[in-house]
Amino acid sequence: EVQLVESGGGVVQPGGSLRLSCAASGFTFSSYAMTWVRQAPGKGLEWVSSISGSGGSTYYADSVKGRFTISRDNSKNTLYLQMNSLRAEDTAVYYCAKEPAMATLHFDYWGQGTLVTVSS
Amino acid sequence: QSVLTQPPSASGTPGQRVTISCSGSSSNIGSNTVNWYQQLPGTAPKLLIYSNNQRPSGVPDRFSGSKSGTSASLAISGLQSEDEADYYCAAWDDSLNKGVFGGGTKLTVL
Repeated sequence: EVQLVESGGGVVQPGGSLRLSCAASGFTFSSYAMTWVRQAPGKGLEWVSSISGSGGSTYYADSVKGRFTISRDNSKNTLYLQMNSLRAEDTAVYYCAKEPAMATLHFDYWGQGTLVTVSS
Repeated sequence: QSVLTQPPSASGTPGQRVTISCSGSSSNIGSNTVNWYQQLPGTAPKLLIYSNNQRPSGVPDRFSGSKSGTSASLAISGLQSEDEADYYCAAWDDSLNKGVFGGGTKLTVL
């Protein structure tokens, strides 16, 4: 059974940093692209960043480029999102999702999400 | 403003057929496949349709997807109360080199 479990969310002050993790199980992690998608309170879904199975290719939304870094440790079956210089507008539930093929926005499994609140 | 345009709301009565549109451009829907997600209140999104018109196992055949040019549609037939949810279209955009979602459509079953 495929499982994606996010962790690392919490409350952080503007300008601060957080690292989100997504622990994957039930599939060959290194064979699949992974993506982070976020949803601000009461708002729609926003694609944040994607990474290929090997980690060699990454993509970022303009809103986070230069501040967020996506990475993965295939030996630990874990996806990460390092978030620096956080802003109030980064407040959202962050979901990790498994993507059978890179750059398709086809997400067949999603985690339950982790809430990030940026507030002073 | 979302790159993909969806109506903010839609409604229907039980048993009716409802369609939700998703309008894009040549760089996203026009050149890539479209996926649809259903999000029930307080839950993570769930894949409903992928590659324009493919249903994952477990998704009822009441749900169907289509694409023509730079637009796509999600159709729900035999509407049920449990279909009340938010629906999102999504595709890759080759010009922006990033993923894009529609703004979402809130479906109400009257």
